[in-house]
Amino acid sequence: DTEVTQTPKHLVMGMTNKKSLKCEQHMGHRAMYWYKQKAKKPPELMFVYSYEKLSINESVPSRFSPECPNSSLLNLHLHALQPEDSALYLCASSPAQNRDFGSYEQYFGPGTRLTVT
Amino acid sequence: AQSVTQLDSHVSVSEGTPVLLRCNYSSSYSPSLFWYVQHPNKGLQLLLKYTSAATLVKGINGFEAEFKKSETSFHLTKPSAHMSDAAEYFCVVNIRTGGFKTIFGAGTRLFVKA
Repeated sequence: DTEVTQTPKHLVMGMTNKKSLKCEQHMGHRAMYWYKQKAKKPPELMFVYSYEKLSINESVPSRFSPECPNSSLLNLHLHALQPEDSALYLCASSPAQNRDFGSYEQYFGPGTRLTVT
Repeated sequence: AQSVTQLDSHVSVSEGTPVLLRCNYSSSYSPSLFWYVQHPNKGLQLLLKYTSAATLVKGINGFEAEFKKSETSFHLTKPSAHMSDAAEYFCVVNIRTGGFKTIFGAGTRLFVKA
């Protein structure tokens, strides 16, 4: 199974809502990533988990809260978002060896299209 | 400073003609280099990767890329374009600096004319 799945595919939420994005992989990868992609732009790295521990937080606002409950699952909890947070949110995973994941390719999910109203 | 430059924001080719998408990088460290493709409203798919083995790398769907350290380039080529190749292409550099940094190029939109 070389697939990364993301749910939901689309999400519309108000600025006062709380919602979560979910990502799952069963490739045995020990690194997982969240990216934000605006239209006609490259993905921007938000968070990296390595061996279920947060390794990288790219100065993301606290209204985005990641969680890695186990080695196959990655969540992104959303609260009090702004309209400018509307974007495609991509999850990815990669192998990691001895917590080193930089040499490895990433496998991306199809994304969640988020609209904040 | 580390950076990735995709030299063309748009490339247009006719079906059956060669494709060249250019990528230059700047890094003080030995990088891992990747090309990904993104079709509209989809996630990214890995085309190929370079991680200090052979400098000519073959990928999926007939794509290949050559790592040239002296030119700090990693250009993507395909001998014959197909309509299904129309998409956005990203050159990506991973740098291990004691930490980790992933740098995406701005992307190149490939158009394929019938």
